[in-house]
Amino acid sequence: EDKVVQSPLSLVVHEGDTVTLNCSYEVTNFRSLLWYKQEKKAPTFLFMLTSSGIEKKSGRLSSILDKKELSSILNITATQTGDSAIYLCAVDVSYSSASKIIFGSGTRLSIRP
Amino acid sequence: DTGVSQNPRHKITKRGQNVTFRCDPISEHNRLYWYRQTLGQGPEFLTYFQNEAQLEKSRLLSDRFSAERPKGSFSTLEIQRTEQGDSAMYLCASSLAAYDGYTFGSGTRLTVV
Repeated sequence: EDKVVQSPLSLVVHEGDTVTLNCSYEVTNFRSLLWYKQEKKAPTFLFMLTSSGIEKKSGRLSSILDKKELSSILNITATQTGDSAIYLCAVDVSYSSASKIIFGSGTRLSIRP
Repeated sequence: DTGVSQNPRHKITKRGQNVTFRCDPISEHNRLYWYRQTLGQGPEFLTYFQNEAQLEKSRLLSDRFSAERPKGSFSTLEIQRTEQGDSAMYLCASSLAAYDGYTFGSGTRLTVV
């Protein structure tokens, strides 16, 4: 059964710290790995990583895909209180003519001022 | 607003009642997904439409659940004879192609009392 595992489940740091969130996956057919940020409602898209694009960066956020280790990390530098959210890792899996994404349980990140 | 729209935002219903939720995807997106999210968990895949065809259904989608996308535009998710275990956030997402990041709606929060 396809699965995505995130660690840690929760993390509390002080503003200005750097954090690393982890994601590992075991899936039958890998198409891409996605990171989302979820505050109170809908997950919002952060990054997509594929075999042809294993590293992405946007401002203070960056992510790397390790296809050999079947894992990814999301780094956030110089954290701010607005970074407090649940960070979801998901894997897009091939499934005959259809596709779907499998989510991990998320990492709840809390930034203390 | 050109995002994914879901209605209603909140629904409280008595156990045993039927409920129906609506999702309006981004207009040019032909792929539409329904997910369910409970507290402390990542979203769980329920079903997937490509245009009007329902191509994938999760085992989570019991006989009490049915989803439609009659004209390949908006979609409805109906739950019959609701149970307390159905209480969750129901999220809809859409995408243009398999390799696009999904855009999620704000969700419908269902509470069964």
